[in-house]
Amino acid sequence: AQSVTQPDIHITVSEGASLELRCNYSYGATPYLFWYVQSPGQGLQLLLKYFSGDTLVQGIKGFEAEFKRSQSSFNLRKPSVHWSDAAEYFCAVGGSNNNDMRFGAGTRLTVKP
Amino acid sequence: EPEVTQTPSHQVTQMGQEVILRCVPISNHLYFYWYRQILGQKVEFLVSFYNNEISEKSEIFDDQFSVERPDGSNFTLKIRSTKLEDSAMYFCASSVDRGYYNEQFFGPGTRLTVL
Repeated sequence: AQSVTQPDIHITVSEGASLELRCNYSYGATPYLFWYVQSPGQGLQLLLKYFSGDTLVQGIKGFEAEFKRSQSSFNLRKPSVHWSDAAEYFCAVGGSNNNDMRFGAGTRLTVKP
Repeated sequence: EPEVTQTPSHQVTQMGQEVILRCVPISNHLYFYWYRQILGQKVEFLVSFYNNEISEKSEIFDDQFSVERPDGSNFTLKIRSTKLEDSAMYFCASSVDRGYYNEQFFGPGTRLTVL
């Protein structure tokens, strides 16, 4: 079955600095990959997804992610972080024939003024 | 903008009691899901539901769990006899159709505390 690892439990960046959140997946075929964000008291919101095609995916709120098959990675990036980006970020992977998404443990982002 | 809603936001119960967690999916969505997140751990898939029956379920979703769409709007998760390890955040989600091309929209979650 598919699985996801997010190596960083907590990351702190200064406002205006660049951000990269790491995600590694395990899946035998071409994966469906997702990044979700969860703000306090809110549900999970989809930032972006990768199914096929261009390996650099653009999402909402200025986020992007790059699929690298050779590294089994799907890292999330943002060139300049805003204080409102402070939240929990989840990477997820889905198999091709079911609705069973597997999530990573999440990375909590703190933004310093 | 339509959204998935969940009630209650926090439920406290005694071990062995039954609980029902409620969700109102987005109105034109056909697929419904439950996930849970034990504190500090991963979000885990529990079950998906379509056309009034379970579509898929994980190994977590044992006989203690059941889901139901009792009317045209609500989607419920019942835990028959709660255990301490059922304490978690439970998320409901819905999508227009099955398959990953169709975004799953998540509710804000219900925090279940079993004492």
